[in-house]
Amino acid sequence: DVVMTQTPVSLPVSLGGQASISCRSSQSLVHSNGNTYLHWYLQKPGQSPQLLIYRVSNRFSGVPDRFSGSGSGTDFTLKISRVEPEDLGDYYCLQSTHFPWTFGGGTKLELK
Amino acid sequence: QVQLKESGPGLVQPSQTLSLTCTVSGFSLTSYHVSWVRQPPGKGLEWMGVIWTGGSTAYNSLLKSRLSISRDISKSQVFLKMNSLQTEDTATYYCARGGGYSEDWGQGVMVTVSS
Repeated sequence: DVVMTQTPVSLPVSLGGQASISCRSSQSLVHSNGNTYLHWYLQKPGQSPQLLIYRVSNRFSGVPDRFSGSGSGTDFTLKISRVEPEDLGDYYCLQSTHFPWTFGGGTKLELK
Repeated sequence: QVQLKESGPGLVQPSQTLSLTCTVSGFSLTSYHVSWVRQPPGKGLEWMGVIWTGGSTAYNSLLKSRLSISRDISKSQVFLKMNSLQTEDTATYYCARGGGYSEDWGQGVMVTVSS
Protein backbone atom coordinates (compact mmCIF):
# COMPACT_ATOMS: atom_id res chain seq x y z
CA ASP A 1 0.00 0.00 0.00
CA VAL A 2 1.10 3.59 -0.61
CA VAL A 3 2.13 5.24 2.64
CA MET A 4 1.33 8.94 2.91
CA THR A 5 3.53 10.81 5.37
CA GLN A 6 2.33 14.20 6.50
CA THR A 7 4.47 16.73 8.31
CA PRO A 8 4.31 18.37 10.70
CA VAL A 9 1.87 16.56 12.95
CA SER A 10 1.07 19.81 14.72
CA LEU A 11 1.45 23.30 13.29
CA PRO A 12 1.02 26.33 15.57
CA VAL A 13 0.24 29.47 13.60
CA SER A 14 -0.68 33.07 14.23
CA LEU A 15 -3.80 34.55 12.73
CA GLY A 16 -2.84 36.34 9.56
CA GLY A 17 0.26 34.22 9.19
CA GLN A 18 1.19 31.51 6.72
CA ALA A 19 1.14 27.73 7.08
CA SER A 20 2.70 25.01 4.99
CA ILE A 21 1.90 21.28 5.22
CA SER A 22 3.92 18.58 3.50
CA CYS A 23 2.61 15.26 2.20
CA ARG A 24 5.02 12.68 0.84
CA SER A 25 4.08 9.36 -0.74
CA SER A 26 6.05 6.12 -0.71
CA GLN A 27 5.69 5.86 -4.48
CA SER A 28 4.89 8.16 -7.35
CA LEU A 29 1.28 9.30 -7.54
CA VAL A 30 1.36 9.81 -11.29
CA HIS A 31 -1.34 7.57 -12.74
CA SER A 32 -0.81 5.69 -15.99
CA ASN A 33 -3.20 8.20 -17.58
CA GLY A 34 -0.84 11.02 -16.67
CA ASN A 35 -2.98 12.53 -13.92
CA THR A 36 -1.90 12.83 -10.30
CA TYR A 37 -4.62 12.01 -7.80
CA LEU A 38 -3.56 13.82 -4.65
CA HIS A 39 -6.19 15.73 -2.71
CA TRP A 40 -6.46 17.78 0.47
CA TYR A 41 -9.19 17.88 3.11
CA LEU A 42 -9.87 19.97 6.20
CA GLN A 43 -11.75 18.52 9.13
CA LYS A 44 -12.92 21.16 11.57
CA PRO A 45 -13.62 20.10 15.16
CA GLY A 46 -16.78 18.01 15.39
CA GLN A 47 -17.40 18.14 11.65
CA SER A 48 -17.06 15.89 8.63
CA PRO A 49 -14.06 16.37 6.35
CA GLN A 50 -14.44 18.96 3.61
CA LEU A 51 -12.67 18.97 0.28
CA LEU A 52 -10.20 21.80 -0.25
CA ILE A 53 -7.96 20.84 -3.15
CA TYR A 54 -8.29 18.06 -5.73
CA ARG A 55 -5.71 16.67 -8.13
CA VAL A 56 -2.80 18.53 -6.54
CA SER A 57 -3.69 22.14 -7.21
CA ASN A 58 -7.37 22.59 -8.07
CA ARG A 59 -9.34 24.52 -5.49
CA PHE A 60 -12.80 23.10 -4.86
CA SER A 61 -15.79 25.35 -5.31
CA GLY A 62 -16.01 28.02 -2.63
CA VAL A 63 -12.52 27.44 -1.25
CA PRO A 64 -10.72 30.78 -0.75
CA ASP A 65 -7.65 31.50 -2.85
CA ARG A 66 -5.68 31.67 0.41
CA PHE A 67 -5.40 27.90 -0.04
CA SER A 68 -3.02 26.58 -2.65
CA GLY A 69 -1.70 23.13 -3.50
CA SER A 70 1.42 22.18 -5.36
CA GLY A 71 3.82 19.34 -5.96
CA SER A 72 4.50 16.40 -8.20
CA GLY A 73 5.56 12.77 -8.11
CA THR A 74 5.93 11.96 -4.42
CA ASP A 75 6.18 15.40 -2.83
CA PHE A 76 3.21 17.68 -2.26
CA THR A 77 2.48 20.83 -0.30
CA LEU A 78 -0.59 22.66 0.93
CA LYS A 79 -0.08 26.33 1.73
CA ILE A 80 -2.44 28.58 3.61
CA SER A 81 -1.78 32.29 3.55
CA ARG A 82 -3.35 34.84 5.88
CA VAL A 83 -4.65 32.17 8.26
CA GLU A 84 -8.13 32.87 9.61
CA PRO A 85 -9.88 31.32 12.62
CA GLU A 86 -12.07 29.12 10.40
CA ASP A 87 -8.93 27.51 8.94
CA LEU A 88 -8.09 25.77 12.22
CA GLY A 89 -8.53 22.01 12.34
CA ASP A 90 -7.04 18.81 11.00
CA TYR A 91 -5.71 18.62 7.46
CA TYR A 92 -5.41 15.37 5.55
CA CYS A 93 -3.95 14.46 2.21
CA LEU A 94 -5.43 11.56 0.25
CA GLN A 95 -4.02 9.66 -2.69
CA SER A 96 -6.39 7.92 -5.08
CA THR A 97 -3.90 6.91 -7.74
CA HIS A 98 -3.22 3.46 -6.32
CA PHE A 99 -5.56 1.02 -4.57
CA PRO A 100 -6.15 1.02 -1.71
CA TRP A 101 -6.56 4.75 -1.50
CA THR A 102 -4.72 6.07 1.53
CA PHE A 103 -4.82 9.13 3.73
CA GLY A 104 -1.95 10.89 5.40
CA GLY A 105 -1.87 10.81 9.17
CA GLY A 106 -3.10 14.38 9.50
CA THR A 107 -1.76 17.78 10.54
CA LYS A 108 -3.41 19.78 13.29
CA LEU A 109 -3.38 23.49 12.55
CA GLU A 110 -3.74 25.37 15.82
CA LEU A 111 -3.20 28.80 17.24
CA LYS A 112 0.23 29.69 18.48
CA GLN B 1 -29.36 19.93 -2.65
CA VAL B 2 -26.97 17.05 -2.17
CA GLN B 3 -27.31 15.18 1.12
CA LEU B 4 -25.95 11.95 2.52
CA LYS B 5 -27.03 10.48 5.82
CA GLU B 6 -25.58 7.43 7.55
CA SER B 7 -27.70 5.30 9.84
CA GLY B 8 -27.16 2.17 11.84
CA PRO B 9 -26.70 0.78 15.34
CA GLY B 10 -24.58 2.76 17.73
CA LEU B 11 -23.43 -0.35 19.57
CA VAL B 12 -22.33 -3.68 18.17
CA GLN B 13 -21.04 -6.66 20.10
CA PRO B 14 -17.63 -8.12 19.31
CA SER B 15 -17.63 -10.78 16.59
CA GLN B 16 -20.98 -9.52 15.28
CA THR B 17 -21.76 -7.92 11.92
CA LEU B 18 -22.10 -4.19 11.36
CA SER B 19 -24.76 -3.01 8.94
CA LEU B 20 -24.88 0.65 7.94
CA THR B 21 -27.05 2.50 5.45
CA CYS B 22 -26.18 5.66 3.58
CA THR B 23 -29.31 7.38 2.25
CA VAL B 24 -28.59 9.96 -0.40
CA SER B 25 -30.61 12.72 -2.04
CA GLY B 26 -29.93 15.32 -4.68
CA PHE B 27 -28.03 12.96 -6.95
CA SER B 28 -28.29 9.54 -8.52
CA LEU B 29 -26.20 6.54 -7.55
CA THR B 30 -25.84 5.82 -11.26
CA SER B 31 -24.12 9.18 -11.78
CA TYR B 32 -21.81 9.37 -8.75
CA HIS B 33 -19.64 6.86 -6.93
CA VAL B 34 -20.06 6.56 -3.16
CA SER B 35 -17.20 5.91 -0.77
CA TRP B 36 -17.03 4.82 2.85
CA VAL B 37 -14.42 6.27 5.21
CA ARG B 38 -14.03 5.69 8.93
CA GLN B 39 -12.29 7.48 11.77
CA PRO B 40 -11.49 5.93 15.16
CA PRO B 41 -11.90 8.33 18.09
CA GLY B 42 -9.09 10.85 18.14
CA LYS B 43 -7.38 9.29 15.13
CA GLY B 44 -7.09 9.83 11.40
CA LEU B 45 -9.17 8.88 8.40
CA GLU B 46 -9.20 5.44 6.82
CA TRP B 47 -10.61 4.75 3.36
CA MET B 48 -12.73 1.61 3.43
CA GLY B 49 -14.16 1.13 -0.03
CA VAL B 50 -16.15 2.50 -2.94
CA ILE B 51 -19.12 1.48 -5.04
CA TRP B 52 -18.85 2.71 -8.58
CA THR B 53 -21.70 4.08 -10.67
CA GLY B 54 -21.88 0.76 -12.50
CA GLY B 55 -22.26 -1.15 -9.25
CA SER B 56 -18.84 -2.72 -8.98
CA THR B 57 -16.81 -2.21 -5.84
CA ALA B 58 -13.25 -1.77 -4.59
CA TYR B 59 -12.12 -2.32 -1.03
CA ASN B 60 -9.27 -1.54 1.30
CA SER B 61 -7.14 -4.65 1.20
CA LEU B 62 -6.91 -4.69 4.99
CA LEU B 63 -10.70 -4.94 5.27
CA LYS B 64 -11.56 -6.80 2.09
CA SER B 65 -12.17 -10.17 3.71
CA ARG B 66 -14.74 -8.68 6.11
CA LEU B 67 -16.32 -5.88 4.09
CA SER B 68 -19.15 -5.68 1.58
CA ILE B 69 -20.66 -2.61 -0.06
CA SER B 70 -23.87 -2.75 -2.05
CA ARG B 71 -26.72 -0.46 -3.06
CA ASP B 72 -30.40 -0.14 -3.87
CA ILE B 73 -30.73 2.43 -6.64
CA SER B 74 -34.50 2.69 -6.34
CA LYS B 75 -34.17 3.67 -2.69
CA SER B 76 -31.06 5.82 -3.18
CA GLN B 77 -29.29 3.81 -0.53
CA VAL B 78 -25.80 2.40 -0.19
CA PHE B 79 -25.10 -0.35 2.31
CA LEU B 80 -21.99 -1.29 4.24
CA LYS B 81 -21.67 -4.65 5.93
CA MET B 82 -18.62 -5.69 7.88
CA ASN B 83 -18.36 -8.88 9.84
CA SER B 84 -16.25 -10.16 12.72
CA LEU B 85 -16.15 -6.78 14.41
CA GLN B 86 -13.52 -6.11 17.05
CA THR B 87 -13.00 -3.23 19.47
CA GLU B 88 -10.58 -1.59 17.05
CA ASP B 89 -13.49 -1.16 14.62
CA THR B 90 -14.96 1.42 16.97
CA ALA B 91 -15.13 4.56 14.85
CA THR B 92 -17.25 7.18 13.17
CA TYR B 93 -18.27 5.87 9.78
CA TYR B 94 -18.82 8.30 6.92
CA CYS B 95 -20.26 7.90 3.45
CA ALA B 96 -19.22 10.41 0.84
CA ARG B 97 -20.17 11.29 -2.70
CA GLY B 98 -17.48 10.67 -5.23
CA GLY B 99 -14.63 8.32 -5.85
CA GLY B 100 -11.07 9.51 -5.80
CA TYR B 101 -12.06 12.68 -4.06
CA SER B 102 -15.35 13.31 -2.32
CA GLU B 103 -17.15 16.60 -2.64
CA ASP B 104 -19.93 15.88 -0.14
CA TRP B 105 -19.93 13.90 3.08
CA GLY B 106 -22.53 12.66 5.48
CA GLN B 107 -22.46 13.72 9.11
CA GLY B 108 -21.12 10.31 10.12
CA VAL B 109 -22.41 7.68 12.50
CA MET B 110 -20.53 6.62 15.60
CA VAL B 111 -20.27 2.88 16.09
CA THR B 112 -18.95 1.38 19.30
CA VAL B 113 -17.90 -2.25 19.44
CA SER B 114 -18.31 -3.47 22.98
CA SER B 115 -19.91 -6.23 24.97
